[in-house]
Amino acid sequence: EAGVTQFPSHSVIEKGQTVTLRCDPISGHDNLYWYRRVMGKEIKFLLHFVKESKQDESGMPNNRFLAERTGGTYSTLKVQPAELEDSGVYFCASSQDSLNYGYTFGSGTRLTVV
Amino acid sequence: AQSVTQLGSHVSVSEGALVLLRCNYSSSVPPYLFWYVQYPNQGLQLLLKYTSAATLVKGINGFEAEFKKSETSFHLTKPSAHMSDAAEYFCAVSSGPGGYQKVTFGTGTKLQVIP
Repeated sequence: EAGVTQFPSHSVIEKGQTVTLRCDPISGHDNLYWYRRVMGKEIKFLLHFVKESKQDESGMPNNRFLAERTGGTYSTLKVQPAELEDSGVYFCASSQDSLNYGYTFGSGTRLTVV
Repeated sequence: AQSVTQLGSHVSVSEGALVLLRCNYSSSVPPYLFWYVQYPNQGLQLLLKYTSAATLVKGINGFEAEFKKSETSFHLTKPSAHMSDAAEYFCAVSSGPGGYQKVTFGTGTKLQVIP
């Protein structure tokens, strides 16, 4: 079974530019989550999709962040325009049932805004 | 509301020594508790989880954790550290079962194992 795939693994962009992160969940997983870790701090929830619908987007920091999940499959997280404080590692996770199986996380995308 | 506090951002142990990583939680409802591990350049991997069954939970790679409600703690232990245990460990809490509850993570503890 393929795991959760994220790309790119690293991205360095200038302040004001746009970046799009992609996450391919495990096939058949209805739940898809985005989390972010800013250097040295906790991993923070951004949002949760159930299939193609946003179940909870309470963690999205501001309207510069836009998440989509086309057809309930892969998801993208766009940051436009990027700011310095957006730097961090963005994790994607998927699950069918986080109690019984736990989340399966991707390796993350390290975003650096300069 | 829920939160997790991990005591010690860095912990060093000698190979073969006891590993103890501390985690205290706060939750307004009965918690579901997790420990995740992140090896360098890899994603987060679930080590173990507490889901209101047994208070002593055994996980992968010889790790275990004990849920203590009176102390609101869920410390992670391993009797004998191995070099391969060097990684960053995250304690996490969720408000319920199923795939619909977001998970709140702690700030992580980096474990160094000294030969």
